[in-house]
Parts: sequence; C-alpha cells; structure tokens
Amino acid sequence: EAEVAQSPRYKITEKSQAVAFWCDPISGHATLYWYRQILGQGPELLVQFQDESVVDDSQLPKDRFSAERLKGVDSTLKIQPAELGDSAMYLCASSPKSRDRDGYTFGSGTRLTVV
Amino acid sequence: AQKVTQAQTEISVVEKEDVTLDCVYETRDTTYYLFWYKQPPSGELVFLIRRNSFDEQNEISGRYSWNFQKSTSSFNFTITASQVVDSAVYFCALTMYNNNDMRFGAGTRLTVKP
Repeated sequence: EAEVAQSPRYKITEKSQAVAFWCDPISGHATLYWYRQILGQGPELLVQFQDESVVDDSQLPKDRFSAERLKGVDSTLKIQPAELGDSAMYLCASSPKSRDRDGYTFGSGTRLTVV
Repeated sequence: AQKVTQAQTEISVVEKEDVTLDCVYETRDTTYYLFWYKQPPSGELVFLIRRNSFDEQNEISGRYSWNFQKSTSSFNFTITASQVVDSAVYFCALTMYNNNDMRFGAGTRLTVKP
C-alpha cells in the first residue's frame, strides 16, 4: 500500500537552532499538506501545496517557518530559529488533487522536541 | 466558521464493552465532509471513514458504526465489543467542499482495559 514518507521520525533540537523536516507524498498526488499537532490537541493545517505552488499558508508563522515543494513532488518544512513552543508532531498528508477526499493520506509524522 | 467539538477528553472501558465517541460540528456550508481518524501511540493518523453532507445513511464496518445526524450536527462513532487494540486517540474532522483545510476536534483518548 502506498505511503506518505516522512523523516526524521524524531528530532531533538536546542532552541534557536534550525530544523528541517522532509515529506515524500504518494506518487502522483498533486496536493500536499503540512499539519502541526501539539500534544493533547488535534492537528492544525500549516500550509497546503498544489503541485509546486502554495495555495494556503495563512496559518504558517512566516517569521520562522518556511515550506517549499520545488519540483512539485517532495517537500521540506523548515523552522529557524526553533522555539520551545514549536515542540509538536509535524504531519504531512497528500491527496490526488485538491478537493479530492479519496486517498487523503497522512504520514507517520516527525515528533519535534525543542530543549 | 468551521468547528469540531469532541466533548469527551478521555474514556475508559473494559474489554467487550460497547463505547460511543461523540462528535459535534459547526459549519454554515451545505456541502461538507466528515471524517474519523484513529491515532495509535505510534502517532500516525489512520483513516476510518469519510461521509459527505448529502449522505445521512448510517454505516457499519465490522465492530465500527457511525451515526450521522444533520439535525443535531453530530457524527458519532460506536465501537461494539471493544478490544484492547482499540486503545488510541480518535479524531473527528471536517472539511468544506471548496476548502481542503481539515479541521480536527481535540480528540478522545480511548483506553480499553483487559
């Protein structure tokens, strides 16, 4: 069964350092999402890509977070500098195309701890 | 505004008991989709079901069943004869037809004791 791949699985970083997460969506999926899940809460959308273009980044803290999907395939989410409050699970998801709820699949996530 | 409320923070049952997880949603749109996901301790979100707003038929899949009632804006999830492997956090989520931003509830942590 096709999966959304994410790495690393776990990341511990010191505050003020830079950290990056990688996501490889299911092959052929045009839409890619990054979510942040703080402990004890539901995931919240950070950014949505359609191919290589950002279609929604209204919830992305742009002063420290950036996301790119240069070739419309895999994606990188970066935080610089990391803050203690950024400790969370970062989940990537993909779907065949926008508005397509079939095949909306999540990866296993990257659990970030900022110390 | 779109919002999902899961009022039950934690539920604990003994194996073989039936358990219902509540989900109440808010939206002004007439076309929307509702989801349930399971999140085991390993962290991944496992898709359980998707419902569109025009389909109010209840659904049963093995020990799982879902009750969608537009009149009360609820989409409740029942596990029959619960098992220890059902222990996880369960999330209800909502998206609009023209917006893929999936709004999640806060989740319900279900613990099934042997």
